[in-house]
Amino acid sequence: SAVISQKPSRDICQRGTSLTIQCQVDSQVTMMFWYRQQPGQSLTLIATANQGSEATYESGFVIDKFPISRPNLTFSTLTVSNMSPEDSSIYLCSAKTGTEAFFGQGTRLTVV
Amino acid sequence: GNSVTQMEGPVTLSEEAFLTINCTYTATGYPSLFWYVQYPGEGLQLLLKATKADDKGSNKGFEATYRKETTSFHLEKGSVQVSDSAVYFCALSAPDFGNEKLTFGTGTRLTIIP
Repeated sequence: SAVISQKPSRDICQRGTSLTIQCQVDSQVTMMFWYRQQPGQSLTLIATANQGSEATYESGFVIDKFPISRPNLTFSTLTVSNMSPEDSSIYLCSAKTGTEAFFGQGTRLTVV
Repeated sequence: GNSVTQMEGPVTLSEEAFLTINCTYTATGYPSLFWYVQYPGEGLQLLLKATKADDKGSNKGFEATYRKETTSFHLEKGSVQVSDSAVYFCALSAPDFGNEKLTFGTGTRLTIIP
């Protein structure tokens, strides 16, 4: 299993600014993922973050808007850049061990 | 591509009622199937899983059987409790050909009233 700590848990940000979300896993994992959960909706995968290589982004998400770092096997960050109210959402970090995926508590972001 | 179709909610039941939340999927090959639960204000937690056809996942009184012939993974519980109130997500993981992404259904909000 894996325990994932994500911070901040919530934030209110001004439009045009950027926020970096941190994700720490209590064990080494190869694959980490970042998801967005818009209000009342399901999870949408933003990107897959593998250690030692650039993140792989899903359709509709670009590196300039959502830069990701993965400096080692237990840590990753997601930055939401140049925010607008449409970026208000919950952002979730996930790590996979075997066939099972574990999730952080999420970061609730409100852009005003 | 892969997809998960989940019974729409919200669903409201009385305590001790029988619960079924339908989930069907479309995928190539033989995916693994999951049910995740999200309690209010919390992240997702794995509720149960099944990795091959006819497997039954179970946890906390919940069960789901991997039915390849009907491409379904319906969630059931014989007697729900107020503490089961949460959002339930059905998900699949594509086969390990380098694609390990989870695909989620839209989620079903369940409310149990005393």
